[in-house]
Amino acid sequence: AQSVTQLGSHVSVSEGALVLLRCNYSSSVPPYLFWYVQYPNQGLQLLLKYTTGATLVKGINGFEAEFKKSETSFHLTKPSAHMSDAAEYFCAVSDAYNTDKLIFGTGTRLQVFP
Amino acid sequence: DTAVSQTPKYLVTQMGNDKSIKCEQNLGHDTMYWYKQDSKKFLKIMFSYNNKELIINETVPNRFSPKSPDKAHLNLHINSLELGDSAVYFCASSQASIAGYGYTFGSGTRLTVV
Repeated sequence: AQSVTQLGSHVSVSEGALVLLRCNYSSSVPPYLFWYVQYPNQGLQLLLKYTTGATLVKGINGFEAEFKKSETSFHLTKPSAHMSDAAEYFCAVSDAYNTDKLIFGTGTRLQVFP
Repeated sequence: DTAVSQTPKYLVTQMGNDKSIKCEQNLGHDTMYWYKQDSKKFLKIMFSYNNKELIINETVPNRFSPKSPDKAHLNLHINSLELGDSAVYFCASSQASIAGYGYTFGSGTRLTVV
């Protein structure tokens, strides 16, 4: 069965600092990996995704993530945090055999301090 | 022009009541979903429908009954509401025939059972 583990339920950074949100997955077949962002009292918005091809994927708002098969990881990074990045971030996994189902991690709350 | 719209946004009701949440998508997607987000922000899939056909039915009490009159609509009816049903319910849609497509989420319905 597929699963996703997000290390760190809370991450705090200063404005302008590097953002690193960790995600490790478990899948018996090649995975499709996603990062979603949820702002307070809103739905989830797709930040970026990896399906096949280039392992470094760029998303909206300056975020990027790298698929590392050997480490079963898909960590999310942003070089310089902005106050508006404060939100809940979710990593999710599906695959070509389970296209109907996204399995989500437990989320990481990002706080950005001035 | 909202892509995935849910109504109502907030729902406060007493234990034992029956309530419905409606969802509509105008993206032309073939698959729609209901997810439940609990107080710890954990997202769990409940149901998915592909072209009006039930595809996924997770371990959900049978008090929850989804209905899809057409591929653009997926409603959720809940009978005999319990305190533990309090959560945010998200509708989502996807083109599941395209592997790795990802979901588009509605803004959620916050259900409070008192």
